[in-house]
Amino acid sequence: EAGVVQSPRYKIIEKKQPVAFWCNPISGHNTLYWYLQNLGQGPELLIRYENEEAVDDSQLPKDRFSAERLKGVDSTLKIQPAELGDSAVYLCASSLGIRGGAPYNEQFFGPGTRLTVL
Amino acid sequence: GQQVMQIPQYQHVQEGEDFTTYCNSSTTLSNIQWYKQRPGGHPVFLIQLVKSGEVKKQKRLTFQFGEAKKNSSLHITATQTTDVGTYFCAGLRSNDYKLSFGAGTTVTVRA
Repeated sequence: EAGVVQSPRYKIIEKKQPVAFWCNPISGHNTLYWYLQNLGQGPELLIRYENEEAVDDSQLPKDRFSAERLKGVDSTLKIQPAELGDSAVYLCASSLGIRGGAPYNEQFFGPGTRLTVL
Repeated sequence: GQQVMQIPQYQHVQEGEDFTTYCNSSTTLSNIQWYKQRPGGHPVFLIQLVKSGEVKKQKRLTFQFGEAKKNSSLHITATQTTDVGTYFCAGLRSNDYKLSFGAGTTVTVRA
């Protein structure tokens, strides 16, 4: 079984430029998460989707960040414009969702996209 | 910021020794999960604890959920070099189902 796929793995951009990250979750996983991980810290949730619905985006900086999961499968996270402080690893994760038990049951993480903003 | 606190931040262990890492929340948790992240890798799920006082074992790893469901611990016996990495706990708050990861305990092993 294929795991969570993310692309690109690395991205270097200049500040004020736009950037987009793509995630394809494990087949059959209804819940998809985007996290931000800074060096030496744990993942911080940006947004959680149940199918195509964003059920928790309270920690997504909506002035510059946006996300979509149009068909309830793969998802895109966008930053426009990027700032220096956005340099981090962006992790996508998926899980079975509610039908697999409580929300936030076992999450499977992708390899992440390491973003460097110059 | 982190809503769940983990201690210690770093753990340097002699191979063969035991150690424990702790996770504490100010609010009651619905469940708690533990993940391991190897250097350069991504978090990998280890276990989920749901019941008050629950104890689960995976070979040399013992996970415990506190009676008040506000804290948890991971105890590793006879540490091996394969145990190197950062161990994160992630607590799901009972009141609003917000999940918070701790900052992790980074483990290094001296052979």
